[in-house]
Amino acid sequence: SAVISQKPSRDICQRGTSLTIQCQVDSQVTMMFWYRQQPGQSLTLIATANQGSEATYESGFVIDKFPISRPNLTFSTLTVSNLSPEDSSIYLCSAVYRGMNTEAFFGQGTRLTVV
Amino acid sequence: EDKVVQSPLSLVVHEGDTVTLNCSYEVTNFRSLLWYKQEKKAPTFLFMLTSSGIEKKSGRLSSILDKKELSSILNITATQTGDSAIYLCASGGSNYKLTFGKGTLLTVNP
Repeated sequence: SAVISQKPSRDICQRGTSLTIQCQVDSQVTMMFWYRQQPGQSLTLIATANQGSEATYESGFVIDKFPISRPNLTFSTLTVSNLSPEDSSIYLCSAVYRGMNTEAFFGQGTRLTVV
Repeated sequence: EDKVVQSPLSLVVHEGDTVTLNCSYEVTNFRSLLWYKQEKKAPTFLFMLTSSGIEKKSGRLSSILDKKELSSILNITATQTGDSAIYLCASGGSNYKLTFGKGTLLTVNP
């Protein structure tokens, strides 16, 4: 099965600061995504990370708040900027692998608490 | 807007019971229906269903898709305490994006 390494595992951040989350996958992927899971809620797609170009954001998410990079096929970062307590969530990196259908695999997740 | 609805939202059973979790979907350009188990943070992939009426099995877990009814069920037989988790249903649409339901919180008591 897929190995997706995501870090940090958790962090506590001050309001107004930023947190960058890294995601490294172990082999060739076709798609990489970033999801958010707010407390007690299900997963919501933030954006599709596109290799070498700007990410594609879902409705309600903007690049200024959630800048995403994907410099190569197997690595991506998500930054959550200008943090507020409402950003306290679990953030998950996800990948779909070459030769597979839509089954996506997830990293270990990052639990962010903003104080 | 794509939508996935799961029921029940929570369920408490005793070890050895059989449970059935439900999922219905309304998705443009439907490709697949997926089930995940979430115990801590990361959802773990269980099943992907693309064809109606074909049951997929893994040990005590099984799942089936009904494309006519736009629904799927996940069955767990002879439940164990280790089955306690949130079970997420997701629909895969265009561009491999997933739309998730709110999940079913399953608690299995000894």
